[in-house]
Amino acid sequence: DGGITQSPKYLFRKEGQNVTLSCEQNLNHDAMYWYRQDPGQGLRLIYYSQIVNDFQKGDIAEGYSVSREKKESFPLTVTSAQKNPTAFYLCASSRSLAGGLETQYFGPGTRLLVL
Amino acid sequence: AQSVTQLDSHVSVSEGTPVLLRCNYSSSYSPSLFWYVQHPNKGLQLLLKYTSAATLVKGINGFEAEFKKSETSFHLTKPSAHMSDAAEYFCVVGGSNYKLTFGKGTLLTVNP
Repeated sequence: DGGITQSPKYLFRKEGQNVTLSCEQNLNHDAMYWYRQDPGQGLRLIYYSQIVNDFQKGDIAEGYSVSREKKESFPLTVTSAQKNPTAFYLCASSRSLAGGLETQYFGPGTRLLVL
Repeated sequence: AQSVTQLDSHVSVSEGTPVLLRCNYSSSYSPSLFWYVQHPNKGLQLLLKYTSAATLVKGINGFEAEFKKSETSFHLTKPSAHMSDAAEYFCVVGGSNYKLTFGKGTLLTVNP
């Protein structure tokens, strides 16, 4: 059963703490993305990766970091520099970057809350 | 540059009545256009996609959308709403670069 998995479903962060959100896909897609969703604001792109060992900043990359060591995995770290991390985080993948023409498939999301 | 405007933040319909969710877009290129649906605390699911083939696009669950270049619109419709259609809907435009631009969403409420 192909798809995208994200874990955990809920994550709590303490002040000054780094936390890592997991994203795994078994669709054999080259491109992967991280989005942040806030109420009433739609989705905003944090980072994207076209291929293994390559990734680029999106519109709101400050306070976040990523890695792409394996094709199927694209973890996102929310660092202590991100002062307003409370949001719903969505991971997506597509066959290729191919401009904005490729369909992106989304995981179920991780909700990050600050204690 | 590209942008998308969803004209209604909230639409409320009765079960069995038609649904219309409005979307206008702006793009410097021939765009791809998508509609996604999101149920509470879930990821986004693709409803349908336009990529310069037929202007009337049929999607899943009885939804369809019509691309109107002269009006720069891509409205989503369904003839008869079902309770399970209650969700948030996003209109999305893609262009020649890597980026998808998301609208701010329309929350659809279906009343019994």
